Amino acid sequence: NAGVTQTPKFHILKIGQSMTLQCTQDMNHNYMYWYRQDPGMGLKLIYYSVGAGITDKGEVPNGYNVSRSTTEDFPLRLELAAPSQTSVYFCASSYGLGITEAFFGQGTRLTVV
Amino acid sequence: RKEVEQDPGPFNVPEGATVAFNCTYSNSASQSFFWYRQDCRKEPKLLMSVYSSGNEDGRFTAQLNRASQYISLLIRDSKLSDSATYLCALDNDMRFGAGTRLTVKP
Repeated sequence: NAGVTQTPKFHILKIGQSMTLQCTQDMNHNYMYWYRQDPGMGLKLIYYSVGAGITDKGEVPNGYNVSRSTTEDFPLRLELAAPSQTSVYFCASSYGLGITEAFFGQGTRLTVV
Repeated sequence: RKEVEQDPGPFNVPEGATVAFNCTYSNSASQSFFWYRQDCRKEPKLLMSVYSSGNEDGRFTAQLNRASQYISLLIRDSKLSDSATYLCALDNDMRFGAGTRLTVKP
């Protein structure tokens, strides 16, 4: 069972560059989430989606964009990367919005230099 | 008041000890709550769900106090393998607390 798969696992990005973090899930979950976790800190919700074609902002959406063209995929786009975006990014999915367990990908460690 | 607040920790306890963490929440409409465990440099994984007054699973007990708006996680007979960060989360939009780090020492 693949569950939630994130790519890449690690990446170094230069200031001002852009990139897309990929996330795909094979559990047919409607709900998907992107979080960032800074060292020694908790998870901060960036964006979430309640289904294909629907996305909404979380706590810290500035500097990021998302799309949800299919149920399976929920890519996170970083435009004009800044050092403050150095973090570990986790994608997650769940069957229901907060009423059931969320399954997480293994994370993407991103460094902006 | 933050939506979800946890004991800052860290908690350093000897093996066999009983330890409890609290998580307070501000939204009284919250219906379901979760405790996740996160090992160092790993993704969070569900430990327990709390839908009513509480839930027990072996050495772990989660309790909900709606009047005071907090949930707690009690770990009895701590093991070295319990060392991790414990995160609480609410149902509304899956927002997490900052986590409480537990280290169990021999």
